[in-house]
Amino acid sequence: GNSVTQMEGPVTLSEEAFLTINCTYTATGYPSLFWYVQYPGEGLQLLLKATKADDKGSNKGFEATYRKETTSFHLEKGSVQVSDSAVYFCAPAVGVGGTSYGKLTFGQGTILTVHP
Amino acid sequence: NAGVTQTPKFQVLKTGQSMTLQCAQDMNHEYMSWYRQDPGMGLRLIHYSVGAGITDQGEVPNGYNVSRSTTEDFPLRLLSAAPSQTSVYFCASSPPGYSWGYTFGSGTRLTVV
Repeated sequence: GNSVTQMEGPVTLSEEAFLTINCTYTATGYPSLFWYVQYPGEGLQLLLKATKADDKGSNKGFEATYRKETTSFHLEKGSVQVSDSAVYFCAPAVGVGGTSYGKLTFGQGTILTVHP
Repeated sequence: NAGVTQTPKFQVLKTGQSMTLQCAQDMNHEYMSWYRQDPGMGLRLIHYSVGAGITDQGEVPNGYNVSRSTTEDFPLRLLSAAPSQTSVYFCASSPPGYSWGYTFGSGTRLTVV
């Protein structure tokens, strides 16, 4: 079956530090890859995505590159802010039963806390 | 643009009671899904729909029913609530295909006592 392994948290950083959250996955077929972010008390928001090998997704200073050969989609940001404190989820989506419905597979998520 | 709206935001039920969690989207998305989020387990798919009149089971469907009579609405019914259904429930929608990403609602926190 499909699965996701994310870097275990919590991750605690000082403001302006460099962030990497590792993500590797197993999936049948050719997945689309997503990073979602969940701020306290809220639902998940799509942060960025990549739909084919070597694509780079980016948004709000975050980046991740679709590495098919290593089945990885690591999230990076050059300089984090206190407002980036949240839970981050890596999630591949693969079609179910040959359909175009993409079931997301989630890991446990990585809690990021950024201190001033 | 409201996106995906879930009601209620909080609910406490007694074991054996039934209730319906509401989900509505105004983006004309064909695909809709229900997930539950439990501590240490990420999110798991309960049921999904690829259009009005079409629903299917996800990975944890037992104890839940769904129907999709319109494109906009996708209610989730708990027939006889159990403490194991204490969770945070999220509804999500997307256009057809799996390269778009999903828009999630803000969730319903359900406690079954």
